Amino acid sequence: QSALTQPPSASGSPGQSVTISCTGTSSDVGGYKYVSWYQQHPGKAPKLMIYEVSKRPSGVPDRFSGSKSGNTASLTVSGLQAEDEADYYCSSYAGSNNLGVFGGGTKLTVL
Amino acid sequence: EVQLVQSGAEVKKPGESLKISCKGSGYSFTTYWIGWVRQMPGKGLEWMGIIYPGDSDTRYSPSFQGQVTISADKSISTAYLQWSSLKASDTAMYYCVREVIVASMRFTFNIWGQGTVVTVSS
Repeated sequence: QSALTQPPSASGSPGQSVTISCTGTSSDVGGYKYVSWYQQHPGKAPKLMIYEVSKRPSGVPDRFSGSKSGNTASLTVSGLQAEDEADYYCSSYAGSNNLGVFGGGTKLTVL
Repeated sequence: EVQLVQSGAEVKKPGESLKISCKGSGYSFTTYWIGWVRQMPGKGLEWMGIIYPGDSDTRYSPSFQGQVTISADKSISTAYLQWSSLKASDTAMYYCVREVIVASMRFTFNIWGQGTVVTVSS
Protein backbone atom coordinates (compact mmCIF):
# COMPACT_ATOMS: atom_id res chain seq x y z
CA GLN A 1 0.00 0.00 0.00
CA SER A 2 1.69 3.22 -1.15
CA ALA A 3 1.52 6.37 0.91
CA LEU A 4 -0.97 9.00 -0.15
CA THR A 5 0.62 11.88 -2.06
CA GLN A 6 0.79 15.30 -0.43
CA PRO A 7 2.84 18.35 -1.43
CA PRO A 8 5.89 18.63 0.84
CA SER A 9 5.17 22.23 1.67
CA ALA A 10 2.53 24.94 1.55
CA SER A 11 2.47 28.50 2.75
CA GLY A 12 0.29 31.54 3.17
CA SER A 13 0.17 34.87 4.92
CA PRO A 14 -1.93 35.51 8.02
CA GLY A 15 -5.58 35.88 7.10
CA GLN A 16 -5.20 34.09 3.78
CA SER A 17 -6.49 30.66 2.86
CA VAL A 18 -4.38 27.68 1.88
CA THR A 19 -5.41 24.29 0.51
CA ILE A 20 -3.42 21.08 0.90
CA SER A 21 -4.13 18.17 -1.41
CA CYS A 22 -3.97 14.44 -0.72
CA THR A 23 -4.05 12.10 -3.69
CA GLY A 24 -4.67 8.40 -3.48
CA THR A 25 -6.42 5.80 -5.57
CA SER A 26 -9.85 4.29 -5.97
CA SER A 27 -8.77 1.70 -3.39
CA ASP A 28 -8.42 4.25 -0.64
CA VAL A 29 -9.36 7.95 -0.93
CA GLY A 30 -11.66 7.45 -3.87
CA GLY A 31 -13.35 4.38 -2.50
CA TYR A 32 -14.33 5.40 1.03
CA LYS A 33 -15.58 8.37 3.01
CA TYR A 34 -13.06 7.76 5.78
CA VAL A 35 -10.48 10.41 4.96
CA SER A 36 -8.92 12.22 7.92
CA TRP A 37 -6.49 15.06 8.47
CA TYR A 38 -4.07 15.46 11.37
CA GLN A 39 -2.11 18.46 12.59
CA GLN A 40 1.26 17.95 14.24
CA HIS A 41 3.25 20.68 15.92
CA PRO A 42 6.98 20.07 16.55
CA GLY A 43 7.55 17.70 19.43
CA LYS A 44 3.85 16.99 19.85
CA ALA A 45 1.57 14.09 19.03
CA PRO A 46 -0.67 14.52 15.99
CA LYS A 47 -4.19 15.86 16.52
CA LEU A 48 -7.26 14.89 14.54
CA MET A 49 -8.59 17.94 12.69
CA ILE A 50 -10.97 16.49 10.09
CA TYR A 51 -12.59 13.07 9.80
CA GLU A 52 -14.97 11.44 7.32
CA VAL A 53 -13.75 13.89 4.66
CA SER A 54 -15.33 17.04 6.10
CA LYS A 55 -16.37 16.60 9.72
CA ARG A 56 -14.66 18.52 12.51
CA PRO A 57 -14.16 17.08 15.98
CA SER A 58 -15.37 19.19 18.85
CA GLY A 59 -12.97 22.04 19.54
CA VAL A 60 -11.47 22.30 16.06
CA PRO A 61 -11.98 25.80 14.63
CA ASP A 62 -14.31 26.08 11.65
CA ARG A 63 -11.42 27.69 9.77
CA PHE A 64 -10.46 24.10 8.98
CA SER A 65 -12.52 22.36 6.32
CA GLY A 66 -12.19 19.24 4.21
CA SER A 67 -13.49 18.01 0.90
CA LYS A 68 -12.97 15.24 -1.62
CA SER A 69 -13.27 14.84 -5.35
CA GLY A 70 -12.53 11.48 -6.89
CA ASN A 71 -9.22 10.17 -5.60
CA THR A 72 -8.09 13.52 -4.17
CA ALA A 73 -8.98 14.95 -0.79
CA SER A 74 -8.24 18.49 0.31
CA LEU A 75 -7.78 20.38 3.54
CA THR A 76 -8.44 24.10 3.49
CA VAL A 77 -7.32 26.40 6.26
CA SER A 78 -9.02 29.78 6.06
CA GLY A 79 -8.01 32.91 7.91
CA LEU A 80 -4.52 31.59 8.53
CA GLN A 81 -3.11 32.19 11.97
CA ALA A 82 0.42 31.82 13.26
CA GLU A 83 -0.56 28.80 15.33
CA ASP A 84 -1.64 26.95 12.19
CA GLU A 85 2.01 26.52 11.24
CA ALA A 86 2.54 22.78 11.58
CA ASP A 87 2.82 19.54 9.65
CA TYR A 88 -0.41 18.15 8.24
CA TYR A 89 -1.05 14.53 7.38
CA CYS A 90 -3.95 12.98 5.56
CA SER A 91 -5.04 9.39 5.96
CA SER A 92 -7.58 7.10 4.40
CA TYR A 93 -9.26 3.81 5.14
CA ALA A 94 -8.27 1.29 2.48
CA GLY A 95 -10.53 -1.68 3.06
CA SER A 96 -10.57 -4.70 5.34
CA ASN A 97 -7.33 -6.14 3.95
CA ASN A 98 -5.03 -3.12 3.84
CA LEU A 99 -6.94 -1.14 6.46
CA GLY A 100 -5.36 2.25 5.90
CA VAL A 101 -2.60 4.54 4.77
CA PHE A 102 -1.14 7.93 5.69
CA GLY A 103 0.03 10.69 3.41
CA GLY A 104 3.64 11.79 3.40
CA GLY A 105 2.85 15.04 5.18
CA THR A 106 2.83 18.74 4.28
CA LYS A 107 4.69 21.42 6.18
CA LEU A 108 2.48 24.50 6.38
CA THR A 109 4.34 27.76 6.88
CA VAL A 110 2.58 30.96 7.88
CA LEU A 111 4.61 33.75 6.33
CA GLU B 1 -10.81 12.03 30.59
CA VAL B 2 -10.13 9.61 27.79
CA GLN B 3 -6.41 9.08 27.39
CA LEU B 4 -3.65 6.76 26.33
CA VAL B 5 -0.50 6.84 28.43
CA GLN B 6 2.61 5.24 27.01
CA SER B 7 5.70 3.87 28.68
CA GLY B 8 8.89 5.87 28.82
CA ALA B 9 11.79 6.32 26.46
CA GLU B 10 14.01 3.34 25.75
CA VAL B 11 17.65 3.03 24.70
CA LYS B 12 18.60 -0.39 23.41
CA LYS B 13 21.36 -2.14 21.51
CA PRO B 14 20.87 -3.89 18.17
CA GLY B 15 19.65 -7.42 18.64
CA GLU B 16 17.97 -6.75 21.98
CA SER B 17 14.27 -7.28 22.58
CA LEU B 18 11.79 -4.64 23.66
CA LYS B 19 8.16 -4.32 24.67
CA ILE B 20 6.56 -0.89 25.03
CA SER B 21 3.13 -0.27 26.49
CA CYS B 22 0.06 1.92 26.12
CA LYS B 23 -2.50 2.12 28.92
CA GLY B 24 -5.99 3.29 28.13
CA SER B 25 -8.24 5.00 30.65
CA GLY B 26 -11.53 6.87 30.76
CA TYR B 27 -13.33 4.56 28.35
CA SER B 28 -14.19 0.91 27.74
CA PHE B 29 -10.79 -0.41 26.67
CA THR B 30 -12.14 -3.61 25.15
CA THR B 31 -14.48 -1.94 22.68
CA TYR B 32 -12.17 0.31 20.65
CA TRP B 33 -9.45 -0.67 18.20
CA ILE B 34 -5.97 0.42 19.33
CA GLY B 35 -3.22 0.95 16.77
CA TRP B 36 0.47 1.77 16.61
CA VAL B 37 2.06 4.43 14.41
CA ARG B 38 5.78 4.91 13.76
CA GLN B 39 7.43 8.23 13.09
CA MET B 40 11.11 8.05 12.24
CA PRO B 41 13.22 11.14 12.97
CA GLY B 42 12.18 13.98 10.69
CA LYS B 43 9.80 11.73 8.75
CA GLY B 44 6.09 11.12 8.36
CA LEU B 45 3.57 8.82 9.99
CA GLU B 46 3.52 5.11 9.21
CA TRP B 47 0.75 2.77 10.30
CA MET B 48 2.11 -0.42 11.85
CA GLY B 49 -0.86 -2.44 13.00
CA ILE B 50 -3.97 -2.52 15.12
CA ILE B 51 -5.65 -4.71 17.71
CA TYR B 52 -9.16 -5.08 19.08
CA PRO B 53 -8.61 -5.76 22.78
CA GLY B 54 -12.01 -7.36 23.18
CA ASP B 55 -11.01 -10.47 21.24
CA SER B 56 -7.34 -9.74 20.38
CA ASP B 57 -8.10 -9.62 16.65
CA THR B 58 -4.85 -8.15 15.26
CA ARG B 59 -4.01 -6.79 11.83
CA TYR B 60 -0.62 -5.66 10.56
CA SER B 61 0.50 -3.32 7.85
CA PRO B 62 2.34 -5.40 5.22
CA SER B 63 5.42 -3.26 5.90
CA PHE B 64 5.55 -4.39 9.52
CA GLN B 65 4.15 -7.93 9.35
CA GLY B 66 6.70 -10.25 10.93
CA GLN B 67 8.79 -7.36 12.22
CA VAL B 68 6.79 -6.54 15.37
CA THR B 69 4.13 -8.12 17.56
CA ILE B 70 1.08 -6.28 18.84
CA SER B 71 -0.80 -7.59 21.85
CA ALA B 72 -3.14 -6.44 24.58
CA ASP B 73 -3.99 -7.35 28.16
CA LYS B 74 -7.58 -6.26 28.69
CA SER B 75 -7.39 -7.02 32.40
CA ILE B 76 -5.11 -4.00 32.82
CA SER B 77 -6.34 -1.99 29.81
CA THR B 78 -2.92 -2.05 28.18
CA ALA B 79 -1.74 -2.61 24.63
CA TYR B 80 1.80 -3.56 23.70
CA LEU B 81 4.22 -3.30 20.81
CA GLN B 82 7.21 -5.59 20.89
CA TRP B 83 10.34 -6.47 18.98
CA SER B 84 12.34 -9.66 19.33
CA SER B 85 15.51 -8.31 17.77
CA LEU B 86 15.90 -4.57 17.37
CA LYS B 87 17.73 -2.88 14.51
CA ALA B 88 19.17 0.60 14.30
CA SER B 89 16.44 1.38 11.76
CA ASP B 90 13.83 0.85 14.50
CA THR B 91 14.94 4.14 16.05
CA ALA B 92 11.80 6.25 16.04
CA MET B 93 8.92 7.72 17.99
CA TYR B 94 6.06 5.26 18.42
CA TYR B 95 2.50 6.42 19.08
CA CYS B 96 -0.43 4.33 20.18
CA VAL B 97 -3.75 5.55 18.84
CA ARG B 98 -7.43 4.83 19.42
CA GLU B 99 -10.15 4.57 16.79
CA VAL B 100 -12.79 7.27 16.93
CA ILE B 101 -15.84 4.99 16.84
CA VAL B 102 -16.62 2.13 19.18
CA ALA B 103 -16.08 -1.36 17.76
CA SER B 104 -15.39 0.05 14.30
CA MET B 105 -12.32 0.17 12.07
CA ARG B 106 -12.29 3.41 10.08
CA PHE B 107 -8.59 4.27 10.25
CA THR B 108 -9.55 7.42 12.11
CA PHE B 109 -7.73 8.14 15.37
CA ASN B 110 -8.95 10.80 17.77
CA ILE B 111 -6.92 9.75 20.80
CA TRP B 112 -3.13 9.62 20.64
CA GLY B 113 -0.66 8.60 23.29
CA GLN B 114 2.18 10.97 24.12
CA GLY B 115 4.63 8.79 22.22
CA THR B 116 7.53 6.56 23.20
CA VAL B 117 10.99 7.30 21.84
CA VAL B 118 12.97 4.19 21.02
CA THR B 119 16.68 4.60 20.31
CA VAL B 120 18.64 1.63 19.03
CA SER B 121 22.38 2.16 18.97
CA SER B 122 25.49 0.16 19.60
